Amino acid sequence: AQSVTQLDSHVSVSEGTPVLLRCNYSSSYSPSLFWYVQHPNKGLQLLLKYTSAATLVKGINGFEAEFKKSETSFHLTKPSAHMSDAAEYFCVVSDLAPFGNEKLTFGTGTRLTIIP
Amino acid sequence: NAGVTQTPKFQVLKTGQSMTLQCAQDMNHEYMSWYRQDPGMGLRLIHYSVGAGITDQGEVPNGYNVSRSTTEDFPLRLLSAAPSQTSVYFCASSYSSRGLRANEQFFGPGTRLTVL
Repeated sequence: AQSVTQLDSHVSVSEGTPVLLRCNYSSSYSPSLFWYVQHPNKGLQLLLKYTSAATLVKGINGFEAEFKKSETSFHLTKPSAHMSDAAEYFCVVSDLAPFGNEKLTFGTGTRLTIIP
Repeated sequence: NAGVTQTPKFQVLKTGQSMTLQCAQDMNHEYMSWYRQDPGMGLRLIHYSVGAGITDQGEVPNGYNVSRSTTEDFPLRLLSAAPSQTSVYFCASSYSSRGLRANEQFFGPGTRLTVL
């Protein structure tokens, strides 16, 4: 069975400071991992994805994430926060099980607040 | 391209009423799905479809029906609305079900449903 845990429900950072949103996952096989962003009253948009290629993944808007198998983590970072980064962020795991269907499992979300 | 569209944006129902949430995509995507989003619970899969004429249940299918008569449309029917179905509903699509792990999910803007 697969699962994903977002370790912080709410993160606040000052504009111009680094952002760290933490995600741990559990998977029986070889997972793919995603980060999606949801701005207020909008649908979700893909930030970046890991699919067993390079472990450091770069996404849109200056975000990146590193896949660490030994730590079962896929934390999202950005060197310098911008006001437009204020949103809810979802970590998602997708797994492929033998004889089973591929399935997406969403984390519960981390709300990022940017302090001017 | 309009992407994924959903109607209505907002809906208020009384307990026991039925209604259909509409979802359409113009990207010729094989895979379409419905999620509900509740506070502190992330997104949970209701039903999905891997192509016209093929649907299957997700994690929380009770009280909902779907059909997929065309590639473009994937309506979600609430048979007899209950207060527990108060939620935000998102429709999503992706290019192929077989590549789900690597494929970006495109989300609609959501329908906010309240059942009194």
